[in-house]
Amino acid sequence: GQSLEQPSEVTAVEGAIVQINCTYQTSGFYGLSWYQQHDGGAPTFLSYNALDGLEETGRFSSFLSRSDSYGYLLLQELQMKDSASYFCAVRNQAGTALIFGKGTTLSVSS
Amino acid sequence: DGGITQSPKYLFRKEGQNVTLSCEQNLNHDAMYWYRQDPGQGLRLIYYSQIVNDFQKGDIAEGYSVSREKKESFPLTVTSAQKNPTAFYLCASSSWGPENEQFFGPGTRLTVL
Repeated sequence: GQSLEQPSEVTAVEGAIVQINCTYQTSGFYGLSWYQQHDGGAPTFLSYNALDGLEETGRFSSFLSRSDSYGYLLLQELQMKDSASYFCAVRNQAGTALIFGKGTTLSVSS
Repeated sequence: DGGITQSPKYLFRKEGQNVTLSCEQNLNHDAMYWYRQDPGQGLRLIYYSQIVNDFQKGDIAEGYSVSREKKESFPLTVTSAQKNPTAFYLCASSSWGPENEQFFGPGTRLTVL
């Protein structure tokens, strides 16, 4: 089956850089995705990595190493609005649905 | 506006009653999904459907049922057999392909008294 491990909590101050790690075990790999969810809201898509390397989208970047079954989400120039939960996700064995990690709660303080 | 709607946002039911949560999308997506979220548990997959009139169980399907009679709609019934139904329920949809993101609805918070 699929399983994902990510830290439960991370804290940082405004303007800092934070990295949220994710390790996964899958029986079939279709890529690693990241989602953001503000408290009480709907998760929203941040990034998707199918190949090794770094993908950059504004202040957020995502990295994948398939040989290490590892990825991370890098958030730069942190803002208060970045306080949220961040989930890494992989596809199920059939590739038909996303399986999510338990999430990392990021708290940004001033 | 394209998107996913879930209603109601808050739902209260007495123990032993079945309850149906609605999910409608106008994104023309083929695939739809139901997730359950509990504090500290992340999102857990209940059921998903790739096409009309077909659906598959996720990791925690026991005590739940679904139907997919229309492409736009994927209602979830929480039955009395679900031992701990109080949770936040999220519906999502996507196009075909592993690279395609899943779009989520605003969720329904179900409380069973």
